[in-house]
Amino acid sequence: NAGVMQNPRHLVRRRGQEARLRCSPMKGHSHVYWYRQLPEEGLKFMVYLQKENIIDESGMPKERFSAEFPKEGPSILRIQQVVRGDSAAYFCASSPERGGTDTQYFGPGTRLTVL
Amino acid sequence: AQTVTQSQPEMSVQEAETVTLSCTYDTSENNYYLFWYKQPPSRQMILVIRQEAYKQQNATENRFSVNFQKAAKSFSLKISDSQLGDTAMYFCAFMRSSNYQLIWGAGTKLIIKP
Repeated sequence: NAGVMQNPRHLVRRRGQEARLRCSPMKGHSHVYWYRQLPEEGLKFMVYLQKENIIDESGMPKERFSAEFPKEGPSILRIQQVVRGDSAAYFCASSPERGGTDTQYFGPGTRLTVL
Repeated sequence: AQTVTQSQPEMSVQEAETVTLSCTYDTSENNYYLFWYKQPPSRQMILVIRQEAYKQQNATENRFSVNFQKAAKSFSLKISDSQLGDTAMYFCAFMRSSNYQLIWGAGTKLIIKP
């Protein structure tokens, strides 16, 4: 049973470009969470999605950031017009049910570097 | 708001020794979950152990065990017979039972020396 898949593992963008990060949850999991990790820090919650629905995006910056989890295909975290401060590791996690009673399992992360 | 504090930025022990990593948290909730995650040099985030607050018994997973002190809001991780592969960042995380957002500590860097 494959774990949570994220790609790419490393992404380099120049300022002003767009970054697209992909996450495929574990088989049977319908809940996806995105977290951001800045250097030397713990993770910070960004957004929680179910299929075709954004449940909570309270941790996501209001501008330039968006997320989706379509009926078919992976969840996508999109960052438009990237800036140097967006450089971080972005982790996706999934759970079969809403978190709390179920543990969130993490992917390997995507390391975004903005030049 | 909930907060998680890991007061040890870095620890170093010899292989085969026992090491304890500390974690304290602040919450007014009565029902919640606590986790320890490990992040090795590969940067993958790996679940180590999980504790439900309503359970008095401390969780154990092989060489990993916790000392959960609910009244003191303390959740320490003990690693017995430490191995070189235990070298990693260790993060303590908190989740309310009514929510799903994991609240993370800043991490403790653990180095196991041969």
